[in-house]
Amino acid sequence: GENVEQHPSTLSVQEGDSAVIKCTYSDSASNYFPWYKQELGKGPQLIIDIRSNVGEKKDQRIAVTLNKTAKHFSLHITETQPEDSAVYFCAASRNTNAGKSTFGDGTTLTVKP
Amino acid sequence: DAGITQSPRHKVTETGTPVTLRCHQTENHRYMYWYRQDPGHGLRLIHYSYGVKDTDKGEVSDGYSVSRSKTEDFLLTLESATSSQTSVYFCAISGTPRDRGEETQYFGPGTRLLVL
Repeated sequence: GENVEQHPSTLSVQEGDSAVIKCTYSDSASNYFPWYKQELGKGPQLIIDIRSNVGEKKDQRIAVTLNKTAKHFSLHITETQPEDSAVYFCAASRNTNAGKSTFGDGTTLTVKP
Repeated sequence: DAGITQSPRHKVTETGTPVTLRCHQTENHRYMYWYRQDPGHGLRLIHYSYGVKDTDKGEVSDGYSVSRSKTEDFLLTLESATSSQTSVYFCAISGTPRDRGEETQYFGPGTRLLVL
């Protein structure tokens, strides 16, 4: 089955700096790669996703890049703010079904004011 | 936010007792899922459903059963709870929201279960 590895497990940045979280996957048939943000006591919330027919996607301060050859994808957050502090999860799936995703173990991001 | 509710939100039970968690959606989506979340393990799929009375196992299904008698409800049952099933359980749905045009997964708020 699919295996997703996520690094780093913890990340601390100063407000205004950029943060990068990286994931690798093992199943070359995976074609859907979502990123979720989870705040304390809440369920994960989709913040951005990318499908294998594109290499990069951006939404305001958040971007995701995908390298299918190397089987890795990354989340980039620019101009970080304290409210970006949360746990971030990457996931991968063979999307005809976005829900059967395999998740990384999460990255705890702390943005220091 | 997608219309997903979970009940109960918190439960404490004893080893050996049966426990049922409920997930309810108002989105009329076909697919529903149960995940568990443990420290250092991210989210792991327990069971999922692709329609009424159609369910299948995920990667950590041992000790769990599910039922889906209506589109909007997906039940997770621990037949005889064990301490290893202490976890946070998340329900999720996936479908194509009108404002996105692509299939997307949404999570409920979670149920925190403690098995003593």
